[in-house]
Parts: sequence; C-alpha cells; structure tokens
Amino acid sequence: ETGVTQSPTHLIKTRGQQVTLRCSSQSGHNTVSWYQQALGQGPQFIFQYYREEENGRGNFPPRFSGLQFPNYSSELNVNALELDDSALYLCASSSGSFSYNEQFFGPGTRLTVL
Amino acid sequence: DAKTTQPPSMDCAEGRAANLPCNHSTISGNEYVYWYRQIHSQGPQYIIHGLKNNETNEMASLIITEDRKSSTLILPHATLRDTAVYYCIVRRGSSNTGKLIFGQGTTLQVKP
Repeated sequence: ETGVTQSPTHLIKTRGQQVTLRCSSQSGHNTVSWYQQALGQGPQFIFQYYREEENGRGNFPPRFSGLQFPNYSSELNVNALELDDSALYLCASSSGSFSYNEQFFGPGTRLTVL
Repeated sequence: DAKTTQPPSMDCAEGRAANLPCNHSTISGNEYVYWYRQIHSQGPQYIIHGLKNNETNEMASLIITEDRKSSTLILPHATLRDTAVYYCIVRRGSSNTGKLIFGQGTTLQVKP
C-alpha cells in the first residue's frame, strides 16, 4: 500500500507568479484535503475534494483553487502569489469525506515566495 | 467545533510516561477528541481519538474526564522519536467534511 505522496518537495517562486502543487492519495482513498502551514503555526484547512467535487472550504481567497482527478489525485493551484503564501502545503487523503474517516498526511511541499 | 487549549511546551525523560493535557471546556455532546502529532518536517500523524470513554491503542492512551471538558494523551514509555508537536483537536463526529482545526499544539521534547 502506497502512502500519500506530494510533489515537488520544495519550490521557489516570485511574487505574482502562479504555482501548482500535486498530491497522490493513498490507495483506495477518494478524498483529499489541503492544508497550509506557516512557520511555527498549526496547519490551516484550505479545502477538501470528494469524488472530484469541492466539499468544504476554509478561509482562503479564490486565488487558491483545486482539482481532483478521476484517479483521486489532486492539484492545488495558487495564483498571484504573495509573500505570505510562503508555507508548507500539506495534503491528506481519506477513504471518505466524513469527519470520522481517518486522514493520512503526505510529507508536504515547501513553497517559498520571494 | 470547540476550541482547545494546550501548554506550548513540555519535557519528558526518555522511558518515562509523557502526559499531555488538553482543555476543551466548550465541547458539545457530539464532538470527539482527536490527537495528531507532527514530527519535524513531516506531515501530521493520527494518534488516537475518543468520545467519552478512555481509549488505548498501540501508540497511546487517551483519558477523557467525566465532564469531557479536558483530556490527557499518555505516551506510556516515551522515546526520543516521540519528540514532536502534539495537537489536540475537537471535531463533530457526524460532519460531512474532514476539516481539522489545528491549534498551536504542545511541543514535546523527550530528553535522554
């Protein structure tokens, strides 16, 4: 059984650029959630995708968008990057969208915006 | 989801039990207590969860007070690999989204 994988591991962008981060969910999981973790803070929920549809969103602006594909892998897209977007981006997969479904986190993508 | 309060940091000697407290005084009847931990530069890892009964698994024990306003995560024999940030999270069991609300957590330092 393969765990949650994310790519790339590190990324450096400049302010105003766009970025796409990728997540492959654990085998058998149909739900992916994305989190942003600033340095020294706990992860903050961005949104969740269940069977290719957005199913819950945190307090993030529309320039944060996502996709889930038929194989349940997912992308997080961030447009018009700002310095404050520098963070560790985590994805988590689960076998269902409900709160009682255990979430398995990937190692994260470290994004630096200059 | 109810708010939680945890001490920012704790130390524990290797081989001893680590007892991590969490206050959740506004918890409601259908909310569960979850614990996750995050080892440096890794994604969070699920540890245990419970509603009102004490729970134990291969990683830890969870003790929830009778009034459910606080809980304690117990690592029975802490090792250096247990050094991590521990998050106590309260969430509704029946919510149809998996949203986890992380606070600042407790940084546990296990010392030799």
